[in-house]
Amino acid sequence: EADIYQTPRYLVIGTGKKITLECSQTMGHDKMYWYQQDPGMELHLIHYSYGVNSTEKGDLSSESTVSRIRTEHFPLTLESARPSHTSQYLCASSVTGARTGELFFGEGSRLTVL
Amino acid sequence: DQQVKQNSPSLSVQEGRISILNCDYTNSMFDYFLWYKKYPAEGPTFLISISSIKDKNEDGRFTVFLNKSAKHLSLHIVPSQPGDSAVYFCAASAPLGTSGSRLTFGEGTQLTVNP
Repeated sequence: EADIYQTPRYLVIGTGKKITLECSQTMGHDKMYWYQQDPGMELHLIHYSYGVNSTEKGDLSSESTVSRIRTEHFPLTLESARPSHTSQYLCASSVTGARTGELFFGEGSRLTVL
Repeated sequence: DQQVKQNSPSLSVQEGRISILNCDYTNSMFDYFLWYKKYPAEGPTFLISISSIKDKNEDGRFTVFLNKSAKHLSLHIVPSQPGDSAVYFCAASAPLGTSGSRLTFGEGTQLTVNP
């Protein structure tokens, strides 16, 4: 059983609000990721981190930002939410040094911006 | 440019029969291929993987086949059970930095197993 947690699970907010999606893992994994998924579509990598104080942009351009101040915590922030940000956001982590690509996912945060 | 593609958005099979989910890829640099299963309102969970140097990996009811020359992989589930009903994502792994992996996902196939 993977120990990676996301909050909130569901969020409905108005345009222009600032939101932070929380992601925490208790497995001590150095690598953490944020994926974005729309219904019926593939998961797109939007951010990743090798470890503390390391963050990189993923394949899909995103207006969100991330931080990695602690190993276990990888929050994602939207400064001013817009309806185009409506999506599911999935946080994941992987074992340090793993080459198989196996990721452990959280349950996701479904964001709706009105 | 979609590097991993699952052409069937949905598949319906009878309980006890075989389910075959297909996936095609374009990037020869992928070195591992994985299948994830996703239930509604949950995150994907890892199911099975295969190294690019293998052509088959089996784990219980699940077998993944890799055809490198065709850049094609498939997941076989036999016998299929109603609890297998979920969205199945194919993913391909490429090196990311010095010791990580970047996964590229397909669009997913909704499998429905009818009792």
